Parts: sequence; structure tokens; C-alpha cells
Amino acid sequence: EPEVTQTPSHQVTQMGQEVILRCVPISNHLYFYWYRQILGQKVEFLVSFYNNEISEKSEIFDDQFSVERPDGSNFTLKIRSTKLEDSAMYFCASRVQTGNTEAFFGQGTRLTVV
Amino acid sequence: KQEVTQIPAALSVPEGENLVLNCSFTDSAIYNLQWFRQDPGKGLTSLLLIQSSQREQTSGRLNASLDKSSGRSTLYIAASQPGDSATYLCAVRPWSGNTGKLIFGQGTTLQVKP
Repeated sequence: EPEVTQTPSHQVTQMGQEVILRCVPISNHLYFYWYRQILGQKVEFLVSFYNNEISEKSEIFDDQFSVERPDGSNFTLKIRSTKLEDSAMYFCASRVQTGNTEAFFGQGTRLTVV
Repeated sequence: KQEVTQIPAALSVPEGENLVLNCSFTDSAIYNLQWFRQDPGKGLTSLLLIQSSQREQTSGRLNASLDKSSGRSTLYIAASQPGDSATYLCAVRPWSGNTGKLIFGQGTTLQVKP
């Protein structure tokens, strides 16, 4: 069964360092998303991406964040200068279209900023 | 602004019981509602998607209902098993915008005791 794949599963980084989280969405999907979940809190929307551009972003998604689809399969989230409060589980999701279709989520990358 | 609330936050039941998890949302203008399961430290597994025009959706021992006008959804789990122990999240897709983003509740953590 097709699935969304995220790497790495866990990343530890020092404050101020840049990190890139990687995702391979399901192959025929067109809409891609990043969400995050701080420990003990709700899953929060960060950004949606369609047709090689950002279609919506939340107030959390400031200039420290960027997304890219560098080729036909990968979808990345970059955090330029990590802060302690960026520590969270980051989920990638995709859906085939925005109609009544399910969003499928990856297993997540746990980012720990020290 | 859409807010999603899940009650109770935690639930412990003996194996075999039927149970109901509740989800409420403040804005009835939704496109659909999706229920997910999250195991500790893991990703989100889609359980059911219920369209705004639907009243119910069933998958195996799971049944989700939707009352859009009152802003409520329930997830009914029949004959619960220890393997059902997990956190259950509901998420609504707002009607406005066409990005397919989801807004999540905080989840109900279910423990089914053998």
C-alpha cells in the first residue's frame, strides 16, 4: 500500500543550526503539507504546497521556514536557524486532490533542538 | 476561527466495551471531517473520512457520525480490544480556501484493559 515516507525519524540539532526534513509523498498525489506537534499539544498546520508553490501558510510559518519540491518525488521543510521552541514532531502529509479525499500522513520526524 | 475540541481527553475501559469518542467544532462550514489514530511517538493513521453531506461512515468496528449543523461528530468503537489503545484525533477541513488543510482537536487517549 502506498505510504508517505519521512526521513530521518529523529534528528537532534544545536540551536541556530539549519535542518532539512525530508518527505516522499504518495506518487500520484498533488497536494503536500507540513504539520507539527509540540509534545502534549495539538497537531498544527504549517504550510500547504501545490503546483510548485505555497498555497497557504500559517502564522507559525515565518521567514525561518521554507519548503521545496526539488524533484518529482521529494518534498522538504527547511528551518534556517533552529530555536529551542522548534522542538516538535513534524509530519508530512499528501492528498491526491483537495476534494473529498483523505489526507495521508507520514510517520513523522522528531526534531530535538538542544 | 475554527476550533476543534475532543472530549474526554482520556478514557479507560475494559475489553469488550462499546465506546463513543466526541469531537466538536465551532464553525459548521466544513468540507469534511477525518478521524485518525495515533500510536505513541508515531504518525497519524487515517481511520474514516466523512463528507459534510454524509451523516455516517463505517469501517469494520468503527462508525463515525456527523451532525454538521450542531458542530459535532462521534466515533463509535464496538467491542473494544487492547489493540485499540491509542490516541484518536479528529480533524476538520474548513470549507473556505481550497488547500485542503486540516484543523485538529487535541485527541482522546484510549486505554482498553484486557
